[in-house]
Amino acid sequence: GAGVSQSPSNKVTEKGKDVELRCDPISGHTALYWYRQSLGQGLEFLIYFQGNSAPDKSGLPSDRFSAERTGGSVSTLTIQRTQQEDSAVYLCASSPQSGAAYGYTFGSGTRLTVV
Amino acid sequence: DAKTTQPPSMDCAEGRAANLPCNHSTISGNEYVYWYRQIHSQGPQYIIHGLKNNETNEMASLIITEDRKSSTLILPHATLRDTAVYYCIVRVAYSGAGSYQLTFGKGTKLSVIP
Repeated sequence: GAGVSQSPSNKVTEKGKDVELRCDPISGHTALYWYRQSLGQGLEFLIYFQGNSAPDKSGLPSDRFSAERTGGSVSTLTIQRTQQEDSAVYLCASSPQSGAAYGYTFGSGTRLTVV
Repeated sequence: DAKTTQPPSMDCAEGRAANLPCNHSTISGNEYVYWYRQIHSQGPQYIIHGLKNNETNEMASLIITEDRKSSTLILPHATLRDTAVYYCIVRVAYSGAGSYQLTFGKGTKLSVIP
């Protein structure tokens, strides 16, 4: 597609449930990033994928968070046993290569609300 | 990566130039200055980047001081659609290894006034 696609755009879930968020990066982009943005806050880095290299998981806030990227394309961010503090907009970005900071293209995000 | 300092908010009259400052006094020689913006309810959007020379593209101009300790993003003729949070980010260039995520601060909320 022309841009980074994220689904769903909105998700309301009950506390304790698991959720999966999906990101379709731009075709050919080898680097993929997940960020989250809590209300009124800046962007918080979560995880980074680059080709077949081991992902950089240094930003994941707890072991309830995990992500995978299948076939170097689509990525899924999974949050287990959701908590109210997980409520945020989860943003995915891709870039043509890992170092090209100018090449980031962000999706519109998934707004997660944990009730 | 070097830390950046930006004013939390600014106003600009529609049609006038918007000059957004950024201080990065601890920048090192191999770090670039990047600008992104985030319009409400959207993901951030790349604007421009530079190392030491001034840069211009269809969206904006970037002026970097000679000592590289500060920079200014210039939107030459601000429109209402330019109302957004503008992020100044300093980061090393790609060197072939490692993780190169961008670190976003709180940015400057620019309000373009009709």
